[in-house]
Amino acid sequence: DQQVKQNSPSLSVQEGRISILNCDYTNSMFDYFLWYKKYPAEGPTFLISISSIKDKNEDGRFTVFLNKSAKHLSLHIVPSQPGDSAVYFCAATVIAETNALNFGKGTSLLVTP
Amino acid sequence: NAGVTQTPKFRVLKTGQSMTLLCAQDMNHEYMYWYRQDPGMGLRLIHYSVGEGTTAKGEVPDGYNVSRLKKQNFLLGLESAAPSQTSVYFCASSYQGMGSGANVLTFGAGSRLTVL
Repeated sequence: DQQVKQNSPSLSVQEGRISILNCDYTNSMFDYFLWYKKYPAEGPTFLISISSIKDKNEDGRFTVFLNKSAKHLSLHIVPSQPGDSAVYFCAATVIAETNALNFGKGTSLLVTP
Repeated sequence: NAGVTQTPKFRVLKTGQSMTLLCAQDMNHEYMYWYRQDPGMGLRLIHYSVGEGTTAKGEVPDGYNVSRLKKQNFLLGLESAAPSQTSVYFCASSYQGMGSGANVLTFGAGSRLTVL
């Protein structure tokens, strides 16, 4: 059973607006969460992460919010740019185990000019 | 700085044939992983290794074998390929440790395998 869920397969946003990508998880043992970005024919690349002891982490235009009680996290991209068009994967893990990541199915973001 | 290199990038097999995918990393990472990506399924863990000479099963290990004879290499083998193994395969690595960076996997560019 999928432990990390991204329920929106796709999202379209206008350039300059905010993109919000959502992710839910079911395993309460997860204590570290990551977002990866993937362009076609390339491997996933790390974007931003957050520990379960925090509720927000910001890196430039990218901010990840974590709501532990709701088992929900979101990635905000402000302002969105056409180069942000890619598939975004949410991932979760338990620190100090195997480092293996559990991935969601991904959300395809299209930023239109 | 190559990072994680996968070979081959593309391969077409007939049902029943065997092949090996090679993953090499030059970051001195302890941990290595093989994932497969299928449309609408995200990335699923096949096998992983926490050090030279060790391997373990992931979420979808059936039909695959792996070996980690050298720290920098992680091989994924298909002994008798099936059409259900048509997929894009990604290798990844990470360092061992307790810091948050230890959980950041570095991925290769992928190997696209088609089984006819």
